[in-house]
Amino acid sequence: SQQGEEDPQALSIQEGENATMNCSYKTSINNLQWYRQNSGRGLVHLILIRSNEREKHSGRLRVTLDTSKKSSSLLITASRAADTASYFCATDAADDKIIFGKGTRLHILP
Amino acid sequence: GAGVSQSPRYKVAKRGQDVALRCDPISGHVSLFWYQQALGQGPEFLTYFQNEAQLDKSGLPSDRFFAERPEGSVSTLKIQRTQQEDSAVYLCASSLIRYTEAFFGQGTRLTVV
Repeated sequence: SQQGEEDPQALSIQEGENATMNCSYKTSINNLQWYRQNSGRGLVHLILIRSNEREKHSGRLRVTLDTSKKSSSLLITASRAADTASYFCATDAADDKIIFGKGTRLHILP
Repeated sequence: GAGVSQSPRYKVAKRGQDVALRCDPISGHVSLFWYQQALGQGPEFLTYFQNEAQLDKSGLPSDRFFAERPEGSVSTLKIQRTQQEDSAVYLCASSLIRYTEAFFGQGTRLTVV
């Protein structure tokens, strides 16, 4: 079973534009993590945001968390061709699992 | 090591064969997770270790799947009598302690023929 659900499932934007991906989840969490995965490769950790945080930045990445709505967003500014990948949110609750969504496939058009 | 290391990177097994997949977590990391990822899907949780203790194995799909971490470091995921539906990428992740960043290895792509 998967707790996080990313939206949209797929997104194509022009290089230089901003990309926004959303994640909704169902139960209370300790933290939420975002990952990137290039085709056929491993998951790269992007950002971890804790349940008591509302916003976090890392370079061109901005993550928000709204625990009242059980949702998070990942914003990539000034997109580049190298940002083409699948992006996953992963929720870390009080049990012993980190649960992933199905991902958003982002395609940056030249 | 610098990151999580998994071996082999690729494994082709004949149906009915047993396989063993290895994960070397980041040195000193207490938490270790195994995931199964089918093509085009998100990773599905299999099992979790804290040191040598397997605290959650609720995601293992059948009793053909077995995982161990006997000394609290290297972990092995074993699949007995492999079937075609076991074909997937198996990912291992480790974190320093619970509820911190989890870092993934490159995965083992298992193909059962």
